[in-house]
Amino acid sequence: QVQLQESGPGLVKPSQTLSLTCTVSGGSISSGGYYWSWIRQHPGKGLEWIGYMYYSGSTYYNPSLKSRVTISVDTSKNQFSLKLSSVTAADTAVYYCARDTGGPGDCWGQGTLVTVSS
Amino acid sequence: EIVMTQSPATLSVSPGERATLSCRASQSVSSNLAWYQQKPGQAPRLLIYGASTRATGIPARFSGSGSGTEFTLTISSLQSEDFAVYYCQQYNNWPPRTFGPGTKVDIK
Repeated sequence: QVQLQESGPGLVKPSQTLSLTCTVSGGSISSGGYYWSWIRQHPGKGLEWIGYMYYSGSTYYNPSLKSRVTISVDTSKNQFSLKLSSVTAADTAVYYCARDTGGPGDCWGQGTLVTVSS
Repeated sequence: EIVMTQSPATLSVSPGERATLSCRASQSVSSNLAWYQQKPGQAPRLLIYGASTRATGIPARFSGSGSGTEFTLTISSLQSEDFAVYYCQQYNNWPPRTFGPGTKVDIK
């Protein structure tokens, strides 16, 4: 059974870069057939798809965040990462990593709250 | 970007009753539509994909229908564990893969 777990700082200062890592266990990121995604949820709000990457390195980002987002993969550690630059309070959210089967996310991490505040 | 809308925003239902949730896309998404359930403090759980296919382990009381721009999630007989927020998501035209705003199903 594949499991995903987010990790990273829970507090980031405005204008800095938010960095999160998702560790995948029970399956290999390199096995192919899956896309590795980041989704966020503002407090009390709905879901916003941030982007995903395929293990080969192809990436797709939400156009609304594209200028600030980088998703990368470390196959040796079976991890993928999210970097979001120049954060503001509007980036305060619960960040989820998920396995995407080419559309629906069939396996999600538990989520991690990131607060942007000085 | 395809905009997803859901109705109603809140649905009050008694246990054992049927719940019908609607999702609409601003343009056709074919059958590339998923439904998720989210309980407080938890990650979303995939219920339905391909508009009508139940994900692994999802009870048969959950069913999805529709294509194009109009979709429905039906819970045939609500159980206590079904009270949650339900989101639809299109994955036909991306990026981005857009979600609806959600429907909260609460106890009447």
